[in-house]
Amino acid sequence: EAQVTQNPRYLITVTGKKLTVTCSQNMNHEYMSWYRQDPGLGLRQIYYSMNVEVTDKGDVPEGYKVSRKEKRNFPLILESPSPNQTSLYFCASSLGGRSYNEQFFGPGTRLTVL
Amino acid sequence: TQLLEQSPQFLSIQEGENLTVYCNSSSVFSSLQWYRQEPGEGPVLLVTVVTGGEVKKLKRLTFQFGDARKDSSLHITAAQPGDTGLYLCAGGSNDYKLSFGAGTTVTVRA
Repeated sequence: EAQVTQNPRYLITVTGKKLTVTCSQNMNHEYMSWYRQDPGLGLRQIYYSMNVEVTDKGDVPEGYKVSRKEKRNFPLILESPSPNQTSLYFCASSLGGRSYNEQFFGPGTRLTVL
Repeated sequence: TQLLEQSPQFLSIQEGENLTVYCNSSSVFSSLQWYRQEPGEGPVLLVTVVTGGEVKKLKRLTFQFGDARKDSSLHITAAQPGDTGLYLCAGGSNDYKLSFGAGTTVTVRA
C-alpha cells in the first residue's frame, strides 16, 4: 500500500529535550516536506526537500532541522524543543514537488512540549 | 496574515442540504487544490484546478477556480454525514510553493 508513515503519533516531552520525528514514504517520491498545523493558522511549511541531500527552509523553519540522506526518509529534528512548538505535525511527499502535484500526507504527530 | 482566507470557518448543516465553502486571496495562483482532512488523519487531495474559470465536478462536489485565479469555491450538493471533515484550500504561487488556508470545518448532521 502506498503510504507516508510517521512515528511517533503522539509525543509528550519537556523543554530542551532533543527529539526526532521520523517520516518514511514508499512511493519513490522525490519531494518531501514537513508542515505544522495550528488552530486558525492552517498548515505551514517548515522544511522541504527536492531530493536526496537537497533541503530548504519553508515558512517557519526556526527551531527545526531536517536531513535527507535517503530518498524514502525525511526526519524532523527538534534540538531544543520549546512550548511554542506544541503542534500537530505532518510529513508529506509528492512525485515532483510542483505546486500542482498531489501531496500525500502522513497521519500526523501530535507533539506537546511542557 | 493568512495568504488564503477561507470562509466560513465552521459550517453545520442537516443531511440533504447544500453547502458552499469559499477560498479567497489578493494573490494570483498558478494552481488551486482542495483537500479534505478527517480527525486523526492527514489531508487527502480532492481536486486540482489550474485554469482560470475552470469548473470540476466530483460526484456531488463542484469546484470552481475564479477567472482571475485569486479565488475558488467548493459546493457540495445534498450533503451526507460522510462529507463531514476539515476542508482545506491550497494555492500554488509558483512552481514549487504551496500555501494553505486555515480550513473550514464542515459538520453534516444525520
